[in-house]
Amino acid sequence: DIVLTQSPLSLPVTPGEPASISCRSSQRLVHFNGNSYLSWYLQKPGQSPQLLIYLGSNRASGVPDRFSGSGSGTDFTLKISRVEAEDVGVYYCMQTLQTPLTFGGGTKVEIK
Amino acid sequence: QAQLVQSGAEVKKPGASVKVSCRASRYVFTNYGISWVRQAPGQRLEWMGWISVYNGNTEYAPRLQGRVTMTRDTFTTTAYLDLSNLRSDDTAVYFCARGSGTDAFDVWGQGTVVTVSS
Repeated sequence: DIVLTQSPLSLPVTPGEPASISCRSSQRLVHFNGNSYLSWYLQKPGQSPQLLIYLGSNRASGVPDRFSGSGSGTDFTLKISRVEAEDVGVYYCMQTLQTPLTFGGGTKVEIK
Repeated sequence: QAQLVQSGAEVKKPGASVKVSCRASRYVFTNYGISWVRQAPGQRLEWMGWISVYNGNTEYAPRLQGRVTMTRDTFTTTAYLDLSNLRSDDTAVYFCARGSGTDAFDVWGQGTVVTVSS
């Protein structure tokens, strides 16, 4: 199985400041077609996960442009350019390159 | 916009089975697969498998093979998850999500709490 390791586990942030979350894969996530099958989700307290980023760097519909995804191969990053109070929750990366699909362990973002 | 609405919470005894439903609306049901994901207390999200709504083909996570069955009813636009021979470590919130294959999961149900306790 592909193992996804996220860091940090916890990320206290100040509103208006940037934040960055890393997701490292045990295998390259690049398909023969050139796509990286890595997506990012935010699970706000008491809610279901919501899609933020797909194919490594594409923002999902309705996602604010302060969220961006980057990376390739085995190393991926989610960046929030200016954190807002509504961004608190647990962020997960997920790979859909091969089954069983797997998730990272999550990064809890909280306001300082 | 597209929506997935799941059935309510369940409490089951060890060894029993549970069936969770996921009703889709506001999109063409047969154009997308449905995946199931669960979240046990304090654990990371776990993919359970998916079903092609178009033809009913399924793929299950190896560790659940033999206990899990996913089906769908295209007339009622509802997907179902059956989990049998329940154990205490099956206690979790179960989510359905739109997406299969290499798709990201762009729509999620609200989650169904399943508690397994004697």
